[in-house]
Amino acid sequence: GDSVTQMEGPVTLSEEAFLTINCTYTATGYPSLFWYVQYPGEGLQLLLKATKADDKGSNKGFEATYRKETTSFHLEKGSVQVSDSAVYFCALSDRGGNTPLVFGKGTRLSVIA
Amino acid sequence: GAGVSQTPSNKVTEKGKYVELRCDPISGHTALYWYRQSLGQGPEFLIYFQGTGAADDSGLPNDRFFAVRPEGSVSTLKIQRTERGDSAVYLCASSLDRAGEQYFGPGTRLTVT
Repeated sequence: GDSVTQMEGPVTLSEEAFLTINCTYTATGYPSLFWYVQYPGEGLQLLLKATKADDKGSNKGFEATYRKETTSFHLEKGSVQVSDSAVYFCALSDRGGNTPLVFGKGTRLSVIA
Repeated sequence: GAGVSQTPSNKVTEKGKYVELRCDPISGHTALYWYRQSLGQGPEFLIYFQGTGAADDSGLPNDRFFAVRPEGSVSTLKIQRTERGDSAVYLCASSLDRAGEQYFGPGTRLTVT
């Protein structure tokens, strides 16, 4: 079945460092890909998405490119801030629309000043 | 406006008991989803409603789990004869329609002792 594999955390970075969180997927069709973020004490929020190959999703300085040839959707940010500390989940949807979502295990990011 | 709300926020129950978890979606959202998140894992899909009907219940782990949405708004997830392995955070999400972004609630943390 469909699955998502993302790098294990925790990841600890200094403020202004470059961030990469790797995500690869297995799917039978042509999935839509998502990154969700969970800030401390809050619910999951959609960070960005891409619906077809070579699309780039971007939001709040984060970006990820849908790479069909490598089945990847790595999350990047050029300069992280303390406020980016959160748990990040890569997810896919392989049945059209946004449902159901298949999530990775999550990567906890801590950014220190 | 109000987001997705879930009650209770925490529930502790004894093995073998029956529990109900409630989800209030965003007003006007026709699609509603239940996910379960075990410690250290990403959310796992349980069931999806479109209106009053369960459009996809393929994620329900066994027949102890049941969910309803009788008026197409509030949903209740029901777990019979709870087991310690049912301990997890149960997440609810809603979207305007099947293709729309899912908005997540804060979750109900269920602990079965």
